[in-house]
Amino acid sequence: DAMVIQNPRYQVTQFGKPVTLSCSQTLNHNVMYWYQQKSSQAPKLLFHYYDKDFNNEADTPDNFQSRRPNTSFCFLDIRSPGLGDAAMYLCATSRDGQGAGYTEAFFGQGTRLTVV
Amino acid sequence: GQNIDQPTEMTATEGAIVQINCTYQTSGFNGLFWYQQHAGEAPTFLSYNVLDGLEEKGRFSSFLSRSKGYSYLLLKELQMKDSASYLCACMDSNYQLIWGAGTKLIIKP
Repeated sequence: DAMVIQNPRYQVTQFGKPVTLSCSQTLNHNVMYWYQQKSSQAPKLLFHYYDKDFNNEADTPDNFQSRRPNTSFCFLDIRSPGLGDAAMYLCATSRDGQGAGYTEAFFGQGTRLTVV
Repeated sequence: GQNIDQPTEMTATEGAIVQINCTYQTSGFNGLFWYQQHAGEAPTFLSYNVLDGLEEKGRFSSFLSRSKGYSYLLLKELQMKDSASYLCACMDSNYQLIWGAGTKLIIKP
């Protein structure tokens, strides 16, 4: 049973045309992450939410925005995709163990974004 | 700065044993994770170490030495399906994951 679900699995968008990627989770985890991963590189953290508290990484471009309307769902909006934004976008969740640290991150299948 | 180092690529033979090393420098330490990632897929969790020593889980084991800032992942009885990238990630004092770039493991028959 899928626990972190990303849609779509593959997304093709035109240069400059806004695109939204979605993520949902059935784990009831309070922390959600969006990562960008390019080929043979480490995942790069774009945003994370602790409950509804939004945390933006300092080097995340303004072109990227995120929304978390409730515990289960999180969205990544790319306002004007450029060729350099072609990548795998990974959504992940973890749970704050309340002093025992966070659990491991559970990843969705990822959305591979192609910009044409 | 924060840094995770691991070899870019390793090759091993089916049925053999391979050890993938990881060294880290982070602001605080709240554990080290190993993930497996097949090409074009998401990372999947393999192991977590927060105390020194060896954690064994079937064919996979992970070792941690906090004083040396060092970990390794040991894979035994290698199978062709073990061909993947193996990512080392540390959780820093802010409970954020710092990722290595991954080690691509190639298994040959």
